Amino acid sequence: TQLLEQSPQFLSIQEGENLTVYCNSSSVFSSLQWYRQEPGEGPVLLVTVVTGGEVKKLKRLTFQFGDARKDSSLHITAAQPGDTGLYLCAGQAGSNYQLIWGAGTKLIIKP
Amino acid sequence: DTGVSQDPRHKITKRGQNVTFRCDPISEHNRLYWYRQTLGQGPEFLTYFQNEAQLEKSRLLSDRFSAERPKGSFSTLEIQRTEQGDSAMYLCASSLAGADIQYFGAGTRLSVL
Repeated sequence: TQLLEQSPQFLSIQEGENLTVYCNSSSVFSSLQWYRQEPGEGPVLLVTVVTGGEVKKLKRLTFQFGDARKDSSLHITAAQPGDTGLYLCAGQAGSNYQLIWGAGTKLIIKP
Repeated sequence: DTGVSQDPRHKITKRGQNVTFRCDPISEHNRLYWYRQTLGQGPEFLTYFQNEAQLEKSRLLSDRFSAERPKGSFSTLEIQRTEQGDSAMYLCASSLAGADIQYFGAGTRLSVL
């Protein structure tokens, strides 16, 4: 069974602090996606990483795909209250259409 | 709006009633997915269509659940004889065949009383 474990499950920090969220698996993924979801809404895609070791930046968010394509991290610099939400990672293995989802990291940024 | 749309956004029903949800995918997308999400968890795969063909159905999905995509465009998800455990957010996503990226609708939140 393929699993994606996200950590931490919950994080509450002050505005301006930095944070890192992790997504780990023992399985290899052909791609990995990060989503952000706000209460009562569907997940919104932030980024897709495909190549081992790949780093992508989206303003203050930096996403990294592990060299072995088994893990990924999301780093937020100088967090702002608008970053509050549920961050989900989802991996796709080979040609299988199914996404394997992590349980999410609930992030709260306090002003 | 050319995104994935779901209707209704919220549904409150009594235990034992049937409910039906609708999903309109992005127009050129031939793949459509249904997921269920409970509070604090990631989405759980329910079923998947390519065009009008239902190609996969989760083993976790009971016989009370049925989904259709008759013309390969919109899809419906019906839950018969609802139970309190069916209370969740039901998400629909669509994608192009061969593309990894799935685009999600805002979901239908079901509350079974």
